Amino acid sequence: QKEVEQNSGPLSVPEGAIASLNCTYSDRGSQSFFWYRQYSGKSPELIMFIYSNGDKEDGRFTAQLNKASQYVSLLIRDSQPSDSATYLCAAPFSGGYNKLIFGAGTRLAVHP
Amino acid sequence: EADIYQTPRYLVIGTGKKITLECSQTMGHDKMYWYQQDPGMELHLIHYSYGVNSTEKGDLSSESTVSRIRTEHFPLTLESARPSHTSQYLCASSKGTGETNEKLFFGSGTQLSVL
Repeated sequence: QKEVEQNSGPLSVPEGAIASLNCTYSDRGSQSFFWYRQYSGKSPELIMFIYSNGDKEDGRFTAQLNKASQYVSLLIRDSQPSDSATYLCAAPFSGGYNKLIFGAGTRLAVHP
Repeated sequence: EADIYQTPRYLVIGTGKKITLECSQTMGHDKMYWYQQDPGMELHLIHYSYGVNSTEKGDLSSESTVSRIRTEHFPLTLESARPSHTSQYLCASSKGTGETNEKLFFGSGTQLSVL
């Protein structure tokens, strides 16, 4: 089992819809989780992080964390074509001092 | 916001050549990292550093080496490049102030092709 797993997609949603991206992790010791967005041919950029159970909202983005079930999700409301990118979930490996383990990413395509 | 620079952006080189990928950051970050990423695949940590004169190997075995003589500079060297080294190499840094706020800032990457 991979330490951080994501559905590779592509996830295709129409413009204006809610995109839901999911991630599961295996290390119960992980305390914080990160969502990075990576446009094709570009480097990743951080869009959200969460470390408490529940929801965290930032503009059109909401991160959700459920430590008991070991999953974290990212909701994008009012999806725009400019949101089309690969979204990477990452968690620090608890046995290794803040080394982030990345999932393979979910490719999101928002069509007009 | 990110002030982390990688050069070159693209590099095409023949087998057996020695190469150095440069990475510099002007944010005063203590922690620096090198990730390797193949198309459509996850990022794999190959090296990291907690500060000057500190370097550690990451989770993915790599034939490359790194050095950290200055806080701002974290170059990666391949003594003898091979086609299997063809990949994108991403440098990143973070403040190192605590797990819950370990935001990684990435450079623009170096796409390496070894013929």
